[in-house]
Amino acid sequence: GDSVTQMEGPVTLSEEAFLTINCTYTATGYPSLFWYVQYPGEGLQLLLKATKADDKGSNKGFEATYRKETTSFHLEKGSVQVSDSAVYFCALGGSGTYKYIFGTGTRLKVLA
Amino acid sequence: DTAVSQTPKYLVTQMGNDKSIKCEQNLGHDTMYWYKQDSKKFLKIMFSYNNKELIINETVPNRFSPKSPDKAHLNLHINSLELGDSAVYFCASSQGTSPNTGELFFGEGSRLTVL
Repeated sequence: GDSVTQMEGPVTLSEEAFLTINCTYTATGYPSLFWYVQYPGEGLQLLLKATKADDKGSNKGFEATYRKETTSFHLEKGSVQVSDSAVYFCALGGSGTYKYIFGTGTRLKVLA
Repeated sequence: DTAVSQTPKYLVTQMGNDKSIKCEQNLGHDTMYWYKQDSKKFLKIMFSYNNKELIINETVPNRFSPKSPDKAHLNLHINSLELGDSAVYFCASSQGTSPNTGELFFGEGSRLTVL
């Protein structure tokens, strides 16, 4: 069945460091790919998405490219801030199903 | 003016009790979901309704019973609560049933603690 694998956390970075959170997926068909972010005490909210191969999603300085050849959707940001501290979830959806499949989440902690 | 609102936000109860969590969305969406998030932040789909019709029913104990009186509301009733039911329960909604077109909007979660 469809699945999403994310790198284990926590990831701890200093402010202004470069961020990469790896995400790979397994799916039949042509899913859409998403990154959701969960700030402490809140629900998840969509950060960015890509609906087809080679699409790049971007928002708030974060970006991720849908790579069909490597089945990956890695999240990157050039310079993280303390306010980026949160849990990040990679997800896929589509492939003829109603379901979104979420990864296990990666906690990011940014130190001032 | 919260888009997806859940009540209560916190719930502490004894094993064996029955409890309900309510969810309402004012986005005009036609699909609503219940997700369970465990202590390790793992997020698992439980149920989904589209226009009051059940479309996703994952392998969940039958002590859990969802009910959608209309497309703006989705409630979750849990009978005979067990320690393992302790988690954060998230309600979400989307427009349409296809993840290819619909973004999920989440509520703030309801933290259930079973003692």
